[in-house]
Amino acid sequence: QVQLQESGPGLVKPSQTLSLTCTVSGGSISSPNNYWSWFRQPAGKGLEWIGHFFTSGSSNFNPSLKSRATVSVDTSKNQFSLKLTSVTAADTAVYYCARGTSRSSYVWFDPWGQGTLVTVSS
Amino acid sequence: AIQMTQSPSSLSASVGDRVTITCRASQGIGIDLGWYQQKPGKAPKILIYGASNLQTGVPSRFSGTGSGTDFTLTISSLQPEDFAAYYCLQDDTYPLTFGQGTKVEI
Repeated sequence: QVQLQESGPGLVKPSQTLSLTCTVSGGSISSPNNYWSWFRQPAGKGLEWIGHFFTSGSSNFNPSLKSRATVSVDTSKNQFSLKLTSVTAADTAVYYCARGTSRSSYVWFDPWGQGTLVTVSS
Repeated sequence: AIQMTQSPSSLSASVGDRVTITCRASQGIGIDLGWYQQKPGKAPKILIYGASNLQTGVPSRFSGTGSGTDFTLTISSLQPEDFAAYYCLQDDTYPLTFGQGTKVEI
C-alpha cells in the first residue's frame, strides 16, 4: 500500500525558505488520477490546504500564501517537495503531505504522511 | 474563497450516542465535500468523500448526507475510538477549504 513520509528541517529562520520533501513508497508518483498535496496545521488550530500538483504537470496553490509556495517532483526518487519562501512565525505548523485521488468526479485525500513540525524562529 | 462553517465546534457525548456534525458552505458546492477524522498527534483520515460515499475500510456507523450548501456527518453509535476531531473539506473550488473542526469529547 502507498505510504508517504515527510522530511526536512524542523527549524527555519524568519525570512528564509522552508523546504520539505515527501517520499512516496508502495506506489508510483507518476500514477494517473493522482495529485500530490501539501497541507499544514498550526498547533491547536485547524487544517489548511497549501497546494498540489497533478501528474499532468499542472499545479494549484492557496492564494493566501501570496505566491510563496512552489512544488516540484523528482520521479526518479518518487518524491515531491514543497518550498515556502520568506517565512514568518505564522508559518510555524505541522506540515502534511498527502495523495489526492480524483475518480468519477469524486476527490479524496488518502493516505497522508505522519506530519512534520516546522518552527520558524531565529 | 468558499467558507465552510462547521458546527458545533465541540460536543460531549457518550459511547453509544448518535452524533451529528454539520458543515455549511458559503456557496453551493454540489457534493464536492469530504469528511476527515483526526486523532491527537495523528494525520487526518478520510471517512467520507463525495458527501456520502464511505471510504473503504471505514465503519458503517459513519454516514454523510447533503448537497449544495448543507452537509451532515452522522455517527450512529459512538464508539470509544471515535473520540477525535472531525473536519469537512470542500474540493469544489480552489482554494480548497476546511471547516474549523468539531472536537468530539467524552
